[in-house]
Amino acid sequence: DVKVTQSSRYLVKRTGEKVFLECVQDMDHENMFWYRQDPGLGLRLIYFSYDVKMKEKGDIPEGYSVSREKKERFSLILESASTNQTSMYLCASSLGGQGGNTIYFGEGSWLTVV
Amino acid sequence: DAKTTQPTSMDCAEGRAANLPCNHSTISGNEYVYWYRQIHSQGPQYIIHGLKNNETNEMASLIITEDRKSSTLILPHATLRDTAVYYCIFSNFGNEKLTFGTGTRLTIIP
Repeated sequence: DVKVTQSSRYLVKRTGEKVFLECVQDMDHENMFWYRQDPGLGLRLIYFSYDVKMKEKGDIPEGYSVSREKKERFSLILESASTNQTSMYLCASSLGGQGGNTIYFGEGSWLTVV
Repeated sequence: DAKTTQPTSMDCAEGRAANLPCNHSTISGNEYVYWYRQIHSQGPQYIIHGLKNNETNEMASLIITEDRKSSTLILPHATLRDTAVYYCIFSNFGNEKLTFGTGTRLTIIP
């Protein structure tokens, strides 16, 4: 089975800290995604990557950056965490190509910024 | 952006078939319809997806209308574990970005 693993399930960080959220997938997928989920707003796409070192902005990239140095790993970086970035963050991956593939999600990382 | 419309909530008796509708009148010809569900505090779980033909797997069936403007997810014999929020979603062709709506909260009643 495909596994998408997010390194931290629960984190508490201080305002202004630099935060790294790590995601690893074990099925050689081309595409990887970072979403955040907030009550009443659903899931919103922050960034996605369709290849190593490639990235594209999603719907809400402000305040975030990403890194994909290896195919299996996609990192989300909060350069200077703020309280409005308190949220659940979800990583996902898919095979890529012409579309129609299954997109697999991790279990989520709950980030609280105080 | 393409949008889906789903009922906010539904109830279904345990053991009966749960039929969850979704309207997607603006879907493009090459966009797939995906269904996911999410149980509180967990990541979304993939259920099924399709382009224009009906699909069935071990979890559910997906019925897509001929004009592709709507679809129905069918859970044939609902159990209490099927209580979750169900999302009907499009994927953008080629890059598989998913745009989530607010979903349907399905409650299975004993």
